[in-house]
Amino acid sequence: DQQVKQNSPSLSVQEGRISILNCDYTNSMFDYFLWYKKYPAEGPTFLISISSIKDKNEDGRFTVFLNKSAKHLSLHIVPSQPGDSAVYFCAARLYGQNFVFGPGTRLSVLP
Amino acid sequence: NAGVMQNPRHLVRRRGQEARLRCSPMKGHSHVYWYRQLPEEGLKFMVYLQKENIIDESGMPKERFSAEFPKEGPSILRIQQVVRGDSAAYFCASSQLSGSTDTQYFGPGTRLTVL
Repeated sequence: DQQVKQNSPSLSVQEGRISILNCDYTNSMFDYFLWYKKYPAEGPTFLISISSIKDKNEDGRFTVFLNKSAKHLSLHIVPSQPGDSAVYFCAARLYGQNFVFGPGTRLSVLP
Repeated sequence: NAGVMQNPRHLVRRRGQEARLRCSPMKGHSHVYWYRQLPEEGLKFMVYLQKENIIDESGMPKERFSAEFPKEGPSILRIQQVVRGDSAAYFCASSQLSGSTDTQYFGPGTRLTVL
């Protein structure tokens, strides 16, 4: 019973173009969402977050969009760079409880 | 301004031995979380601890696994009588508050290999 889904296991994008990573969730009570980036043999690194009271949060090249009615979250990276190649995890939280992580999407940015 | 520290980074054990994984949270953080990542899978929550208290251990196997976060010193994840299926990367994360905008910061992980 996956509460947080990332249906694309992998994604390839040309350098300089936009990368769009998607995440769907099933529990409408999730109130806080995060994206993490993970390189091989390292721990996940926090990227960006969004509260359920917002529909957009931007930080430099990274923007997260939240569509609560569709229970859908997306991460946009513009412009994509080769150093962005990593596995991206979406995570969601019920207030006062723990985070539930998606299975991850492997992004490859091609030079 | 050290981040979350985990040691050892790599741990090799034979079946039946014990594995002890250590996690020191970021300075000022009093909440610790342990996750397991099996090969080709995502992060699975195991246990959430505050100082001297286990808050949620719903993701931890009932047998052979235990965790603690003492008043002094690092958090310890202990696996007794390891089996090959325990081979995985174990990540620790810490946070400052358990509030509405809480963020977890991860350590580099311990890669456990059971021979």
